Amino acid sequence: NAGVTQTPKFRVLKTGQSMTLLCAQDMNHEYMYWYRQDPGMGLRLIHYSVGEGTTAKGEVPDGYNVSRLKKQNFLLGLESAAPSQTSVYFCASSYSTGANVLTFGAGSRLTVL
Amino acid sequence: AQRVTQPEKLLSVFKGAPVELKCNYSYSGSPELFWYVQYSRQRLQLLLRHISRESIKGFTADLNKGETSFHLKKPFAQEEDSAMYYCAHVPHSSGSARQLTFGSGTQLTVLP
Repeated sequence: NAGVTQTPKFRVLKTGQSMTLLCAQDMNHEYMYWYRQDPGMGLRLIHYSVGEGTTAKGEVPDGYNVSRLKKQNFLLGLESAAPSQTSVYFCASSYSTGANVLTFGAGSRLTVL
Repeated sequence: AQRVTQPEKLLSVFKGAPVELKCNYSYSGSPELFWYVQYSRQRLQLLLRHISRESIKGFTADLNKGETSFHLKKPFAQEEDSAMYYCAHVPHSSGSARQLTFGSGTQLTVLP
């Protein structure tokens, strides 16, 4: 049982380049989330999804886009990367009616030069 | 805005000493509060939640509505408790989406 899998684990981009982070979960969870983790800032919610085909903005959505075409996958895209997007990105998932017990992925470290 | 605050970014204690990681929330009513932990090179995971009133790995957290706090406590710290601890809550405004919002985290180091 893999849980939540994020790819890639590491990536270095140049300013202006684009990329997509993939999150896959095999627990049949309805809810999926993308967070970024920065020193002194904790985890901040970027976007989330409450089900296949639906997405919504979180606390810091600017510069990111997401898609949830399949229930098990949640993609985070950066269309034009900026140095301010250098961060560790975490995907998480949860049941829709659970007590917010999130299952997290291992994280993806992104550096934008 | 509804938020949780963790006033200490860093906390160091000696092995065997009591430890308390502070978390305060900024709103009235009935909050939903959690503690998550991230050990070195491991994934972020749930430690405990206030509705369960449980003790996990010797840690407890009591909701104090008068002080609007949800401090995490352990009477005798162990070296393996060294980790980043996040207090988290579900703001009332999140409605059915139930977005979990995290504090800024406290890095706990237990010294030998």
